[in-house]
Amino acid sequence: NAGVTQTPKFRILKIGQSMTLQCAQDMNHNYMYWYRQDPGMGLKLIYYSVGAGITDKGEVPNGYNVSRSTTEDFPLRLELAAPSQTSVYFCASTYYSSNQPQHFGDGTRLSIL
Amino acid sequence: GQQLNQSPQSMFIQEGEDVSMNCTSSSIFNTWLWYKQDPGEGPVLLIALYKAGELTSNGRLTAQFGITRKDSFLNISASIPSDVGIYFCAGQPPGGNEKLTFGTGTRLTIIP
Repeated sequence: NAGVTQTPKFRILKIGQSMTLQCAQDMNHNYMYWYRQDPGMGLKLIYYSVGAGITDKGEVPNGYNVSRSTTEDFPLRLELAAPSQTSVYFCASTYYSSNQPQHFGDGTRLSIL
Repeated sequence: GQQLNQSPQSMFIQEGEDVSMNCTSSSIFNTWLWYKQDPGEGPVLLIALYKAGELTSNGRLTAQFGITRKDSFLNISASIPSDVGIYFCAGQPPGGNEKLTFGTGTRLTIIP
């Protein structure tokens, strides 16, 4: 099983550019999450989804957008990249509740210069 | 939002030593989870705790859900080189079925 797959693994953007971070899971999980991890810090929730067509803001949603058109995919979009968005981004999924084991992807390392 | 204070921030130990770390909150949680993150990878769940006072083991790892529901502890016995990494606590607040709050992590280094 692939689990949670994130692409790309690395990316460098210029200020003001836009991009989409891809996340796909093949475990038929209902809940999906996007986190960012700044150096030496824990994970902060950006957006989450409890099912196809349903998304909601987390702790740090500003500057990001998400969509969930299928159970498998949960892309994260940066519209106008800013240096403050330099971080490692993790996608995670779980079956029906956040207190169940969340399966994480390996992350996307994003630098904005 | 809720804050989770995790300590210590970093630990330097010798192989074979026991390790203790903890996580505290100003408010109560219904669930405590402990994750480990290896370099360049996403976090992996180690132990999940669902009831105040619960003590759960996973091999050399033991974690406890504090009686006050505001803290949790993780112990590692007889550390080995593969224990190196960052350990995160995470909590699910009452009514927060969809979301977890993560601590800032404890970085474990084993000195040869």
